[in-house]
Amino acid sequence: DQQVKQNSPSLSVQEGRISILNCDYTNSMFDYFLWYKKYPAEGPTFLISISSIKDKNEDGRFTVFLNKSAKHLSLHIVPSQPGDSAVYFCAASAQNSGYALNFGKGTSLLVTP
Amino acid sequence: DAGVTQSPTHLIKTRGQQVTLRCSPKSGHDTVSWYQQALGQGPQFIFQYYEEEERQRGNFPDRFSGHQFPNYSSELNVNALLLGDSALYLCASSLGGRTYGYTFGSGTRLTVV
Repeated sequence: DQQVKQNSPSLSVQEGRISILNCDYTNSMFDYFLWYKKYPAEGPTFLISISSIKDKNEDGRFTVFLNKSAKHLSLHIVPSQPGDSAVYFCAASAQNSGYALNFGKGTSLLVTP
Repeated sequence: DAGVTQSPTHLIKTRGQQVTLRCSPKSGHDTVSWYQQALGQGPQFIFQYYEEEERQRGNFPDRFSGHQFPNYSSELNVNALLLGDSALYLCASSLGGRTYGYTFGSGTRLTVV
């Protein structure tokens, strides 16, 4: 039962443009959402997060938007750089019902020069 | 400051055997969570250890067991290995059981033949 879905397995964007990665979830109890970035042969590294009490969180080139009514979040990267090429995982947790992160399958982002 | 250290990095085992994977958390962290990432999938939560006790468990059979030591390091044991246990096993450490602030290790790649 996949509670966090990333429906685009891959995305290709030109350097300097905006990258938009999407994520949908089904569990309305999720109240904390995170994005992780993963390079080959490395563990996932935390990128940015958002609590369900907010609809936007920004950190430098990275912005996460949360639409609770649609159970949808997105990660915007502006401007995209070749070093951003990696697999991006969306994850969610419900703080009052456990400690586990529920991950999507990931989206492979390729930023071309 | 050492991050999360996992050993070994790669492992090949025969079906039916038993395996032990090890994790040393990031300095200052006291909680260890284990995840299984099958090929093409996102990480799936196995269990979390805090104060030397299993605090929460994901949807994994009893063949998967773990332990946390007084120095906060942890082991993941898998008995009666199946071909389907082939995956990347990720350890994540955090403080106080939080799901944010996770630091992941690079993982152990287990191949069951």
